[in-house]
Amino acid sequence: QKEVEQNSGPLSVPEGAIASLNCTYSDRVSQSFFWYRQYSGKSPELIMSIYSNGDKEDGRFTAQLNKASQYVSLLIRDSQPSDSATYLCAVRRTGGYQKVTFGTGTKLQVIP
Amino acid sequence: ETGVTQTPRHLVMGMTNKKSLKCEQHLGHNAMYWYKQSAKKPLELMFVYNFKEQTENNSVPSRFSPECPNSSHLFLHLHTLQPEDSALYLCASSQGAQGARQPQHFGDGTRLSIL
Repeated sequence: QKEVEQNSGPLSVPEGAIASLNCTYSDRVSQSFFWYRQYSGKSPELIMSIYSNGDKEDGRFTAQLNKASQYVSLLIRDSQPSDSATYLCAVRRTGGYQKVTFGTGTKLQVIP
Repeated sequence: ETGVTQTPRHLVMGMTNKKSLKCEQHLGHNAMYWYKQSAKKPLELMFVYNFKEQTENNSVPSRFSPECPNSSHLFLHLHTLQPEDSALYLCASSQGAQGARQPQHFGDGTRLSIL
């Protein structure tokens, strides 16, 4: 079982729609969860972080965390063509020098 | 423009060459990281430095040799690389390596090609 699992996509949504990106993780002691956006040929850019169960909203982005189900998601409302990128889910566990584990990413395509 | 700068952006080298990748962060962070990103694979953590001390070596072959002279600079010395080492090498920094809520900030990476 992969430590952090994402559907590689591509996920295609029409402009203006809601894009829903999902991530599951295997380590129950994981404490922090991050979503990064990576444009082709560019570095990952942090867009959201979430630490507690529930929803966290920032502009058009909403992160959702369910630790019992070991599931974290990212919703992008009013999707724009500029949102087309690969979205990486990252998970950090507690204790010591914590290792951050990344998923393979989901490629999102927003169709104008 | 990011607060983490990597040079060179692209590097082509033969298997017998020796080269170095450089990373500099301008964010006042204390932890720095090297990652390898290959196609269709998740980011692979290679090394972690916290306050200039190496805290993690993720079973990386000895042909990769990191150096961290201070909290702002990180190098990755390369020698006798293999074709499978061709990848995007990303440097990242965070406030500290401890503290689960500290996100990492990435540089633009060095695209390495081994002939």
